[in-house]
Amino acid sequence: QSVLTQPPSVSAAPGQKVTISCSGSSSNIGNNYVSWYQQLPGTAPKLLLYDNNKRPSGIPDRFSGSKSGTSATLGITGLQTGDEADYYCGTWDSSLSAGVFGGGTKLTVV
Amino acid sequence: EVQLLESGGGLVQPGGSLRLSCAASGFTFSSYAISWVCQAPGKGLEWVSGISGSGGSTFYADSVKGRFTISRDNSKNTLYLQMNSLRAEDTAVYYCAKDRYSSGRAGAFDIWGQGTMVTVS
Repeated sequence: QSVLTQPPSVSAAPGQKVTISCSGSSSNIGNNYVSWYQQLPGTAPKLLLYDNNKRPSGIPDRFSGSKSGTSATLGITGLQTGDEADYYCGTWDSSLSAGVFGGGTKLTVV
Repeated sequence: EVQLLESGGGLVQPGGSLRLSCAASGFTFSSYAISWVCQAPGKGLEWVSGISGSGGSTFYADSVKGRFTISRDNSKNTLYLQMNSLRAEDTAVYYCAKDRYSSGRAGAFDIWGQGTMVTVS
């Protein structure tokens, strides 16, 4: 059971928009920055967003992030088949003194 | 090129030990925290342990506390994970991941290694 809760799967058509939620508590999302990762099949995770909504260089602005209270959301617009992947949220948990991840969300572009 | 390269994985019997290494290049190693993150076959990411840039602060998941020890040698640009009393449930790919910050309390991992497989059986 992951500390952060994500939906197991989401799907949308090419060109459409999708959002992925990540729910936590005051000890993690509520008081720490959230990061989002993309993991394509058979590869290492890749940082998509950090500090809730900042994109590393090279990440297109189709990817966006937001946070409200103890929940965070990843948004992806203009979906492409290449976006099919597993997406994870992550943050620090101040009570556990440990990093925590969500269980991951599998995005299908159909 | 900024790079992390893990090594040391393999097959070990329950109760055995392994030491993983993560060699870093292309950035000022001592300025950043580094973590170990594992992924069991077909499962999600699990944070295992982290260490601050200076090495003065270390953090562990409850599942490995007392069994695993994280350390770093900033003169060699290398991170380690000493894994003792290994269990079947420790079977996973282990990634080292560079944090964007030095404290070890951020969890914003911008560079990942390719991973090394640990099988406990």
